[in-house]
Amino acid sequence: DADVTQTPRNRITKTGKRIMLECSQTKGHDRMYWYRQDPGLGLRLIYYSFDVKDINKGEISDGYSVSRQAQAKFSLSLESAIPNQTALYFCATSDGDRGSNQPQHFGDGTRLSIL
Amino acid sequence: DAKTTQPPSMDCAEGRAANLPCNHSTISGNEYVYWYRQIHSQGPQYIIHGLKNNETNEMASLIITEDRKSSTLILPHATLRDTAVYYCIVRAISGYSTLTFGKGTMLLVSP
Repeated sequence: DADVTQTPRNRITKTGKRIMLECSQTKGHDRMYWYRQDPGLGLRLIYYSFDVKDINKGEISDGYSVSRQAQAKFSLSLESAIPNQTALYFCATSDGDRGSNQPQHFGDGTRLSIL
Repeated sequence: DAKTTQPPSMDCAEGRAANLPCNHSTISGNEYVYWYRQIHSQGPQYIIHGLKNNETNEMASLIITEDRKSSTLILPHATLRDTAVYYCIVRAISGYSTLTFGKGTMLLVSP
């Protein structure tokens, strides 16, 4: 979805480095999410946020932290990157104001490689 | 959330209708059926969702059986650009529940 922008699109870095992935959206949605996808596996939820003051852990939050700087911005940090965090990372948004059944809309992803 | 079962792969000729089945026999009354697709390493794309009535939008139609235990996503005139992995997901709308992406169905549209 062009209204959900992730930066960078690709990143190669070394073990132990701090990494920040950024997500911004122009959809006006209140809810934002971070997922990772590994080859042959489905998407797994890392963190989600229902508004600026709300942050919740997903199923695989260990080793990650997030910051919701504004309604439109949600960043994911790897404090000390390790090789098994090499994956494709996706940000998503949804409109909670219209109800909990609203679909999530995804960005194009960040491909992260940790050497 | 209820578990879903989809065939691992399907083929479809360009211009024909693609009918993708999904079994969700343990679905409960407050769970919606969502369909997404993912075109090679791009972000998942939302297609359609429904509770119990059939739904149609500009991309596809969703047919849900009366007992809600299965559904079919219909792409009426498949094109080569519809080649993707299609995910059927069941999700409760009370409280918060995550979108759980399984392995999906790899749809290959051929000329």
